[in-house]
Amino acid sequence: DAGITQSPRHKVTETGTPVTLRCHQTENHRYMYWYRQDPGHGLRLIHYSYGVKDTDKGEVSDGYSVSRSKTEDFLLTLESATSSQTSVYFCAISIAGGVRTGELFFGEGSRLTVL
Amino acid sequence: AQSVSQHNHHVILSEAASLELGCNYSYGGTVNLFWYVQYPGQHLQLLLKYFSGDPLVKGIKGFEAEFIKSKFSFNLRKPSVQWSDTAEYFCAVNLFNNNDMRFGAGTRLTVKP
Repeated sequence: DAGITQSPRHKVTETGTPVTLRCHQTENHRYMYWYRQDPGHGLRLIHYSYGVKDTDKGEVSDGYSVSRSKTEDFLLTLESATSSQTSVYFCAISIAGGVRTGELFFGEGSRLTVL
Repeated sequence: AQSVSQHNHHVILSEAASLELGCNYSYGGTVNLFWYVQYPGQHLQLLLKYFSGDPLVKGIKGFEAEFIKSKFSFNLRKPSVQWSDTAEYFCAVNLFNNNDMRFGAGTRLTVKP
């Protein structure tokens, strides 16, 4: 267990509202990631972070922003939610210092429904 | 475009049958390869990984995978599946010196008791 918690675990919101998902880790790992999981698409990387205030875009970053002001917290924000952002969102960390050298450990997921 | 392809969307087997799930990738450089499993209602967990060396790697729960560089493939195998192997399986590829892990679309495995 890599000590990852996501909140909220379930959220229903309306189109146009802002939404923030939180990922919290207890072990001060440097690399953190946000993925979304959709049927037929597997997991797609939204954003990742390699340290406090250091973030980069993944393959599906449009409509999402992230912040990492503390090592332990990585926030994913949907500024104005759309129905296409209905998905299950997974936070992950890499324990070996980077995706290129190690495996990912995932949180339990946050199911977001945008009506 | 660089991608990870999993050939089967849904595989249905009876217990004790042999399993092979295909995975191909289109990256041209040095890669690290992974198989993850997601049991119903749970998050993804690592089954096995390949970084270098022996192209036949063994993972947890009797799974193994073979890296064939010339075919850009990393197929997952298990000689005899169990009902508890019912899950979704994801192949993932990471380019060396890159922080971006790309996943395939997943293969859902149903094992009938």
